[in-house]
Amino acid sequence: AQKITQTQPGMFVQEKEAVTLDCTYDTSDQSYGLFWYKQPSSGEMIFLIYQGSYDEQNATEGRYSLNFQKARKSANLVISASQLGDSAMYFCAMIPWDSNYQLIWGAGTKLIIKP
Amino acid sequence: DVKVTQSSRYLVKRTGEKVFLECVQDMDHENMFWYRQDPGLGLRLIYFSYDVKMKEKGDIPEGYSVSREKKERFSLILESASTNQTSMYLCASSSPDLTLSPGTGADGYTFGSGTRLTVV
Repeated sequence: AQKITQTQPGMFVQEKEAVTLDCTYDTSDQSYGLFWYKQPSSGEMIFLIYQGSYDEQNATEGRYSLNFQKARKSANLVISASQLGDSAMYFCAMIPWDSNYQLIWGAGTKLIIKP
Repeated sequence: DVKVTQSSRYLVKRTGEKVFLECVQDMDHENMFWYRQDPGLGLRLIYFSYDVKMKEKGDIPEGYSVSREKKERFSLILESASTNQTSMYLCASSSPDLTLSPGTGADGYTFGSGTRLTVV
């Protein structure tokens, strides 16, 4: 079965610290894509970063990086130098490429940055 | 600069009412999706459409139907609203090529702001 697991329902982190949000996935597909989305209290889903299963290097976008460990089937999101505006729900998702572009979602992690 | 628009931000309806949730995108995307989001359950796919007048059931289609008469518009219909349909509903669209660029310029899989529906 194809599945995304986010084991941290919530996290508190001090401002300016780095934070790692965990994501493990399960798929038998060789080709797949992994996504991280941010959902602030306003409700909009904001795309953060993408990692393809054949990408050899970890994806990075500004303060966001994806720690991709293919053998362990993990795709953790790392946020460096956290800011108050990072407080939000974070979702990990996967597209197994034999699907019709349907994302499989994790349950999410609520991140709260403390000043 | 809004690309996926959901007609209502908050909606309160009575049990048994027929409810229409509208979603419009201006990116000429072929694929459109309706999700519901509940705490601890993440996003669950209700229906999706990959072309005008085409629709496919997602993981939880019971109690819902959809309509896609025009490419830019995908409507979710609750035939007879029930209290267990109280939820956040999110619409999304994507292109078949799924070009990806992060942040607000993403042209891959774009979401609307959501409709928080309460059925009383």
